[in-house]
Amino acid sequence: NAGVTQTPKFQVLKTGQSMTLQCAQDMNHEYMSWYRQDPGMGLRLIHYSVGAGITDQGEVPNGYNVSRSTTEDFPLRLLSAAPSQTSVYFCASTPHRDRVDEQYFGPGTRLTVT
Amino acid sequence: GQQLNQSPQSMFIQEGEDVSMNCTSSSIFNTWLWYKQDPGEGPVLLIALYKAGELTSNGRLTAQFGITRKDSFLNISASIPSDVGIYFCAGRSYNNNDMRFGAGTRLTVKP
Repeated sequence: NAGVTQTPKFQVLKTGQSMTLQCAQDMNHEYMSWYRQDPGMGLRLIHYSVGAGITDQGEVPNGYNVSRSTTEDFPLRLLSAAPSQTSVYFCASTPHRDRVDEQYFGPGTRLTVT
Repeated sequence: GQQLNQSPQSMFIQEGEDVSMNCTSSSIFNTWLWYKQDPGEGPVLLIALYKAGELTSNGRLTAQFGITRKDSFLNISASIPSDVGIYFCAGRSYNNNDMRFGAGTRLTVKP
Protein backbone atom coordinates (compact mmCIF):
# COMPACT_ATOMS: atom_id res chain seq x y z
CA ASN A 1 0.00 0.00 0.00
CA ALA A 2 1.19 3.48 -0.82
CA GLY A 3 -0.91 4.90 2.04
CA VAL A 4 -2.00 8.52 1.60
CA THR A 5 -0.38 10.37 -1.29
CA GLN A 6 -0.54 14.09 -1.99
CA THR A 7 0.50 16.09 -5.02
CA PRO A 8 2.10 18.47 -5.59
CA LYS A 9 4.63 18.68 -2.76
CA PHE A 10 5.22 22.41 -3.34
CA GLN A 11 3.21 25.04 -5.19
CA VAL A 12 3.44 28.79 -5.70
CA LEU A 13 0.34 30.66 -6.88
CA LYS A 14 -0.46 34.25 -7.65
CA THR A 15 -3.43 35.88 -5.94
CA GLY A 16 -6.62 35.04 -7.81
CA GLN A 17 -5.34 31.85 -9.43
CA SER A 18 -7.14 28.58 -8.93
CA MET A 19 -5.71 25.12 -8.40
CA THR A 20 -6.51 21.66 -7.10
CA LEU A 21 -4.53 19.81 -4.45
CA GLN A 22 -4.72 16.09 -5.02
CA CYS A 23 -5.12 13.44 -2.34
CA ALA A 24 -5.47 9.70 -2.83
CA GLN A 25 -5.48 6.66 -0.56
CA ASP A 26 -5.36 2.98 -1.48
CA MET A 27 -6.54 1.55 1.82
CA ASN A 28 -10.29 1.63 1.04
CA HIS A 29 -10.84 4.10 3.87
CA GLU A 30 -14.29 5.64 4.24
CA TYR A 31 -13.27 8.83 5.97
CA MET A 32 -10.97 11.43 4.43
CA SER A 33 -10.18 14.95 5.53
CA TRP A 34 -8.16 18.04 4.69
CA TYR A 35 -6.28 20.14 7.25
CA ARG A 36 -4.17 23.25 7.03
CA GLN A 37 -1.22 23.90 9.30
CA ASP A 38 0.01 27.41 10.00
CA PRO A 39 3.07 28.41 12.06
CA GLY A 40 2.43 28.27 15.79
CA MET A 41 -0.98 26.69 15.34
CA GLY A 42 -2.36 23.21 15.38
CA LEU A 43 -3.91 21.59 12.36
CA ARG A 44 -7.31 22.99 11.48
CA LEU A 45 -9.93 20.96 9.66
CA ILE A 46 -11.07 22.41 6.31
CA HIS A 47 -13.44 19.78 4.90
CA TYR A 48 -14.07 16.11 5.44
CA SER A 49 -15.92 13.23 3.81
CA VAL A 50 -17.47 10.16 5.44
CA GLY A 51 -17.79 8.33 2.13
CA ALA A 52 -18.07 8.68 -1.62
CA GLY A 53 -20.57 11.38 -2.54
CA ILE A 54 -20.69 12.87 0.98
CA THR A 55 -18.72 15.91 2.10
CA ASP A 56 -19.07 18.39 4.95
CA GLN A 57 -17.40 21.51 6.27
CA GLY A 58 -14.87 21.60 9.04
CA GLU A 59 -13.59 24.48 11.11
CA VAL A 60 -12.18 26.68 8.30
CA PRO A 61 -13.97 25.86 5.00
CA ASN A 62 -14.18 29.32 3.39
CA GLY A 63 -12.30 29.61 0.10
CA TYR A 64 -12.10 25.86 -0.45
CA ASN A 65 -14.24 23.29 -2.25
CA VAL A 66 -14.10 19.52 -2.15
CA SER A 67 -15.75 16.58 -3.86
CA ARG A 68 -15.61 12.82 -3.31
CA SER A 69 -16.60 11.00 -6.48
CA THR A 70 -14.63 7.87 -5.55
CA THR A 71 -13.53 6.25 -2.29
CA GLU A 72 -9.89 6.73 -3.23
CA ASP A 73 -9.69 10.41 -4.16
CA PHE A 74 -10.49 13.59 -2.25
CA PRO A 75 -9.25 16.70 -4.11
CA LEU A 76 -9.21 20.14 -2.50
CA ARG A 77 -9.91 23.12 -4.78
CA LEU A 78 -8.87 26.69 -4.23
CA LEU A 79 -11.17 28.77 -6.41
CA SER A 80 -9.38 32.12 -6.11
CA ALA A 81 -6.18 31.90 -4.10
CA ALA A 82 -5.45 34.54 -1.46
CA PRO A 83 -2.24 35.19 0.53
CA SER A 84 -4.11 34.06 3.67
CA GLN A 85 -4.22 30.59 2.14
CA THR A 86 -0.44 30.28 2.29
CA SER A 87 -0.03 27.21 4.45
CA VAL A 88 0.91 23.54 4.56
CA TYR A 89 -2.01 21.32 3.64
CA PHE A 90 -2.40 17.77 4.91
CA CYS A 91 -4.80 15.13 3.74
CA ALA A 92 -5.71 12.28 6.08
CA SER A 93 -7.78 9.11 5.93
CA THR A 94 -9.16 6.56 8.36
CA PRO A 95 -11.29 3.44 7.90
CA HIS A 96 -14.27 5.08 9.65
CA ARG A 97 -14.74 8.43 11.35
CA ASP A 98 -14.97 6.76 14.76
CA ARG A 99 -11.58 5.11 14.30
CA VAL A 100 -9.56 8.27 14.66
CA ASP A 101 -6.69 6.29 16.12
CA GLU A 102 -6.13 4.85 12.66
CA GLN A 103 -5.91 8.23 10.95
CA TYR A 104 -3.06 8.33 8.42
CA PHE A 105 -1.67 11.64 7.21
CA GLY A 106 -0.13 12.34 3.84
CA PRO A 107 3.25 14.08 3.51
CA GLY A 108 1.70 17.51 2.93
CA THR A 109 1.59 20.18 0.22
CA ARG A 110 3.37 23.46 0.93
CA LEU A 111 1.44 26.26 -0.78
CA THR A 112 2.61 29.85 -1.13
CA VAL A 113 0.27 32.53 -2.50
CA THR A 114 1.94 35.77 -3.55
CA GLY B 1 -15.39 26.50 18.90
CA GLN B 2 -13.47 24.19 21.14
CA GLN B 3 -9.98 25.39 21.92
CA LEU B 4 -7.06 23.26 22.99
CA ASN B 5 -4.30 24.87 25.01
CA GLN B 6 -1.04 22.96 24.79
CA SER B 7 1.98 23.70 26.94
CA PRO B 8 4.80 24.28 26.95
CA GLN B 9 5.29 25.76 23.49
CA SER B 10 8.88 24.54 23.38
CA MET B 11 11.34 22.58 25.48
CA PHE B 12 15.11 22.30 25.39
CA ILE B 13 16.34 19.32 27.35
CA GLN B 14 19.43 17.19 27.80
CA GLU B 15 19.52 13.63 26.47
CA GLY B 16 18.35 11.24 29.18
CA GLU B 17 15.98 13.69 30.85
CA ASP B 18 12.25 13.07 31.21
CA VAL B 19 9.74 15.32 29.46
CA SER B 20 6.18 16.24 30.29
CA MET B 21 3.68 18.22 28.24
CA ASN B 22 -0.06 18.72 28.58
CA CYS B 23 -3.22 19.84 26.89
CA THR B 24 -6.32 21.42 28.35
CA SER B 25 -9.68 22.13 26.79
CA SER B 26 -12.64 24.32 27.58
CA SER B 27 -14.92 21.48 26.51
CA ILE B 28 -15.21 17.78 27.19
CA PHE B 29 -13.62 15.33 24.78
CA ASN B 30 -14.29 11.63 24.50
CA THR B 31 -11.06 10.87 22.67
CA TRP B 32 -7.59 12.27 23.20
CA LEU B 33 -4.69 11.61 20.85
CA TRP B 34 -1.01 12.47 20.82
CA TYR B 35 0.94 12.87 17.56
CA LYS B 36 4.57 13.53 16.63
CA GLN B 37 5.55 15.45 13.53
CA ASP B 38 9.02 15.39 12.00
CA PRO B 39 10.12 18.21 9.66
CA GLY B 40 8.55 17.98 6.21
CA GLU B 41 6.25 15.13 7.15
CA GLY B 42 2.70 14.59 8.33
CA PRO B 43 1.83 13.84 11.96
CA VAL B 44 2.17 10.25 13.14
CA LEU B 45 -0.03 8.89 15.92
CA LEU B 46 1.76 7.99 19.14
CA ILE B 47 -1.01 7.19 21.62
CA ALA B 48 -4.83 7.17 21.58
CA LEU B 49 -6.95 7.46 24.75
CA TYR B 50 -10.66 6.66 24.95
CA LYS B 51 -11.71 6.62 28.62
CA ALA B 52 -11.47 9.16 31.40
CA GLY B 53 -8.63 8.20 33.73
CA GLU B 54 -7.03 5.90 31.15
CA LEU B 55 -3.25 5.63 31.35
CA THR B 56 -1.55 4.18 28.27
CA SER B 57 2.09 3.53 27.44
CA ASN B 58 3.93 3.10 24.17
CA GLY B 59 7.56 2.30 24.91
CA ARG B 60 9.07 5.31 26.67
CA LEU B 61 5.88 7.32 26.14
CA THR B 62 3.02 7.47 28.62
CA ALA B 63 -0.19 9.44 28.21
CA GLN B 64 -3.22 9.93 30.42
CA PHE B 65 -6.81 10.95 29.76
CA GLY B 66 -7.80 13.37 32.53
CA ILE B 67 -10.63 12.50 34.90
CA THR B 68 -12.53 15.69 33.98
CA ARG B 69 -12.20 14.75 30.26
CA LYS B 70 -10.88 18.23 29.64
CA ASP B 71 -7.18 17.50 29.79
CA SER B 72 -4.44 15.05 28.89
CA PHE B 73 -0.71 14.79 29.40
CA LEU B 74 2.16 13.07 27.63
CA ASN B 75 5.38 11.99 29.33
CA ILE B 76 8.55 10.89 27.58
CA SER B 77 11.10 9.13 29.76
CA ALA B 78 14.86 9.00 29.18
CA SER B 79 14.77 11.21 26.07
CA ILE B 80 17.01 10.45 23.10
CA PRO B 81 18.02 12.65 20.13
CA SER B 82 15.43 11.06 17.81
CA ASP B 83 12.65 12.34 20.11
CA VAL B 84 13.23 15.76 18.54
CA GLY B 85 10.14 17.05 16.78
CA ILE B 86 6.80 18.70 17.37
CA TYR B 87 4.27 16.93 19.56
CA PHE B 88 0.57 17.66 19.10
CA CYS B 89 -2.41 16.77 21.21
CA ALA B 90 -5.78 16.36 19.54
CA GLY B 91 -9.26 15.84 20.87
CA ARG B 92 -12.57 14.72 19.53
CA SER B 93 -15.94 15.15 21.21
CA TYR B 94 -18.80 12.70 20.94
CA ASN B 95 -21.14 14.93 18.96
CA ASN B 96 -18.60 16.39 16.55
CA ASN B 97 -17.19 14.86 13.41
CA ASP B 98 -14.09 16.95 13.53
CA MET B 99 -10.97 16.90 15.61
CA ARG B 100 -9.23 19.83 17.26
CA PHE B 101 -5.48 20.09 17.59
CA GLY B 102 -3.26 21.88 20.06
CA ALA B 103 -0.62 24.31 18.75
CA GLY B 104 2.17 21.83 19.46
CA THR B 105 5.20 21.47 21.73
CA ARG B 106 8.55 21.75 19.95
CA LEU B 107 11.05 19.43 21.63
CA THR B 108 14.80 19.83 21.26
CA VAL B 109 17.10 17.22 22.79
CA LYS B 110 20.77 18.08 23.29
CA PRO B 111 23.15 15.13 23.15
